[in-house]
Amino acid sequence: DQQVKQNSPSLSVQEGRISILNCDYTNSMFDYFLWYKKYPAEGPTFLISISSIKDKNEDGRFTVFLNKSAKHLSLHIVPSQPGDSAVYFCAASAAQGAQKLVFGQGTRLTINP
Amino acid sequence: NAGVMQNPRHLVRRRGQEARLRCSPMKGHSHVYWYRQLPEEGLKFMVYLQKENIIDESGMPKERFSAEFPKEGPSILRIQQVVRGDSAAYFCASSPQKGYEQYFGPGTRLTVT
Repeated sequence: DQQVKQNSPSLSVQEGRISILNCDYTNSMFDYFLWYKKYPAEGPTFLISISSIKDKNEDGRFTVFLNKSAKHLSLHIVPSQPGDSAVYFCAASAAQGAQKLVFGQGTRLTINP
Repeated sequence: NAGVMQNPRHLVRRRGQEARLRCSPMKGHSHVYWYRQLPEEGLKFMVYLQKENIIDESGMPKERFSAEFPKEGPSILRIQQVVRGDSAAYFCASSPQKGYEQYFGPGTRLTVT
């Protein structure tokens, strides 16, 4: 049962343009969402998060949007840079119980010069 | 401030041997989480620990796997009698308190031959 889904395994974007990565979830108990970036042979690096009481959170070039009614969130990166090429994971957690994270399968983003 | 430390980075074991993976959380962090990533998949939660306590082990296989986080020293993930299916990347994460972002270590890549 995949509670967090990233339906696009890969995405290719031209340098300077906007990258939009999408994530859907099924568990209505999730109330905190995070995006991580991962390079090969390294651990995931925290990028940005959003609580379910908000619909948008911005940090520099990164903005996360949350649509609770659609159970959908997206990460916008603008402008995209070559160093942004990596695998991006969406993750979710629920306040009840432990703060374990449920991850999506990841989207491989490639920024083309 | 050093990040999450994991060792060894690479571990090769023959079937039937034991594997011990170590994780030192970031300074000031008292919550530790273990995740496993199989090839081409997202990270899967295994266990959440605080000092001397297992809080949530709902993701741990029922047999052969155990985890601890003693009062002194690193957290240990122990896999007894390893099988080929245990080959994966094992990531440790830490957070200062429940409800905060989790910061990941570089991972231990276990190969079972």
